[in-house]
Amino acid sequence: SYDLSQPPSVSVSPGQTASITCSGDKLGDQYAYWYQQKPGQSPVLVIYLDTKRPSGIPERFSGFNSGNTATLTISGTQAMDEADYYCQAWDSNTARLVFGGGTKLTVL
Amino acid sequence: QVQVVESGGGVVQPGRSLRLSCAASGFTLNDYGMHWVRQAPGKGLEWVAVISFDGSNKYYADSVKGRFTISRDNSKNTLFLQMDSLRAEDTAVYYCAKTGSRSYNSELDSWGQGTLVTVST
Repeated sequence: SYDLSQPPSVSVSPGQTASITCSGDKLGDQYAYWYQQKPGQSPVLVIYLDTKRPSGIPERFSGFNSGNTATLTISGTQAMDEADYYCQAWDSNTARLVFGGGTKLTVL
Repeated sequence: QVQVVESGGGVVQPGRSLRLSCAASGFTLNDYGMHWVRQAPGKGLEWVAVISFDGSNKYYADSVKGRFTISRDNSKNTLFLQMDSLRAEDTAVYYCAKTGSRSYNSELDSWGQGTLVTVST
């Protein structure tokens, strides 16, 4: 089965840049997606098609995908960005949607 | 605005069945693929199943294949998940999620609030 790996946790100081990685075999050959989930809330799409931001998502969120790694970058991180972040891809070989294990972003 | 609302969760004994519903509003259901995603308490997101916009294609996670069935009634703007032979490890919040296009492998751009399923004696 296709697996996506994320670091369990990332810490960042307010105003600094946070980078969350997502690794999978030849991930750059397909599209990567990113979701933000705050405690007690449903996931929210923050990046789609590797680099695109849905309407309403701040410009400080950006994405990149190449080789075996997709990266979500949050520039000028704010306290409100503290959340769990999940990457996602579609495994076309098995017709399965795959999520990474999630990364807890702490802003301190 | 676009909204999906899940219902049908509850407490059920192992081996029994449960049917979840997802009511769509603010968009035409038959223009989009739809997914079910679950999240066990304190755990990450786990994909469950997807159905294409017209219901002709359905795919399942290995953990539920043969026990769960995804379906849709576009005339009623409603998505379903029939869950049979439930196990303790199926305990989770179940989310309904809309894709961004007719392609079932596109982004999940709208999620419901989730419905909790607890499988326990």
